[in-house]
Amino acid sequence: GAGVSQSPSNKVTEKGKDVELRCDPISGHTALYWYRQSLGQGLEFLIYFQGNSAPDKSGLPSDRFSAERTGGSVSTLTIQRTQQEDSAVYLCASSSGLAGLTDTQYFGPGTRLTVL
Amino acid sequence: KNEVEQSPQNLTAQEGEFITINCSYSVGISALHWLQQHPGGGIVSLFMLSSGKKKHGRLIATINIQEKHSSLHITASHPRDSAVYICAVLQIYNTDKLIFGTGTRLQVFP
Repeated sequence: GAGVSQSPSNKVTEKGKDVELRCDPISGHTALYWYRQSLGQGLEFLIYFQGNSAPDKSGLPSDRFSAERTGGSVSTLTIQRTQQEDSAVYLCASSSGLAGLTDTQYFGPGTRLTVL
Repeated sequence: KNEVEQSPQNLTAQEGEFITINCSYSVGISALHWLQQHPGGGIVSLFMLSSGKKKHGRLIATINIQEKHSSLHITASHPRDSAVYICAVLQIYNTDKLIFGTGTRLQVFP
């Protein structure tokens, strides 16, 4: 596709369940980013991949959160044992990767996660 | 205190007015991004600045590294400019993380 896609667009889950969020970056983009935006809050940086490698995982909110990227393309963000405070819009972005975090980033439409 | 502060938090304007949104930061940075988030939630990257000034259409972004301040200007504002404008900085000693401001909500009325 022409842009960054994310799936699902909406996810409602029960507290304690695991969820997987998927991001398909723009073809050829080597850098991929995950962000979270809670209701009424600003954007929060979660993790950044250059290729399949995530140099810094300290932005992940807790050890219930993990992310992986395989084949330098699709990435999944997994939240285990979801809690109500995990409810947010999870945004993915990608960039060419030529200039790291100074690249122009292209954002996906987000996945709205609601934990009941 | 947040490391990245934006002002004002909310801004209303009449169509045609000149708009200024400010971003101040307290950390050393290597770059600053301006983003636009539309009412439907979609985010668009507007500018990346490391020094000086950039212009794209009716949008102008400036940065003063010594004063740790950036401004986003919109000339001849239009209702379609209504959005949340977000400043994000790349901290100089932590090049794998962006720190975001809380955003400025702009409404332009016809």
